Amino acid sequence: EAGVTQFPSHSVIEKGQTVTLRCDPISGHDNLYWYRRVMGKEIKFLLHFVKESKQDESGMPNNRFLAERTGGTYSTLKVQPAELEDSGVYFCASSQWGGVYNEQFFGPGTRLTVL
Amino acid sequence: DAKTTQPNSMESNEEEPVHLPCNHSTISGTDYIHWYRQLPSQGPEYVIHGLTSNVNNRMASLAIAEDRKSSTLILHRATLRDAAVYYCILSAYTSGTYKYIFGTGTRLKVLA
Repeated sequence: EAGVTQFPSHSVIEKGQTVTLRCDPISGHDNLYWYRRVMGKEIKFLLHFVKESKQDESGMPNNRFLAERTGGTYSTLKVQPAELEDSGVYFCASSQWGGVYNEQFFGPGTRLTVL
Repeated sequence: DAKTTQPNSMESNEEEPVHLPCNHSTISGTDYIHWYRQLPSQGPEYVIHGLTSNVNNRMASLAIAEDRKSSTLILHRATLRDAAVYYCILSAYTSGTYKYIFGTGTRLKVLA
């Protein structure tokens, strides 16, 4: 069974440009999460989808970030326009159910560098 | 949000037990304690979780203090493949989500 995949693995863009990150969860997992780790800081929650609906987006830093999950399958996270402080590693995770007992399976992350 | 505090790094000899500590003095009564680890070039992977009682699984044991303000992840016999960053995480139920709150992680080095 394929794990969570993320694309691209690494993206380098200039300040002001737009970048779109993609996450493909494990098949059948209704819950999808985005996290990020910026330099020197801990990994932080961004948002949680249940199928195609946003359950909690309280961790999204500002309105330059837009997450979508059309059809309840893969998800995209768009940053527009990108700023220097957006550099970091963006992780996606999925789980079959959203309860506390449910293990979250993480992808390998996308490393975003904004110059 | 509750926070966790972990040492930045630890070393262990191969085939010896490792005790990885975590302090979470502001934990609330309904927060669960999770441990994940991150191997090089991979995302975090689940190790173990618990609420109040000590827990054992095939990978590790989790010892939770009686007042729940600290916990310890125990690897019974460290191998070279256990070298990773270990995250102590609290999961708090807010806004309809069990939100993971990560610590900064402990980088474990295993010496052959």
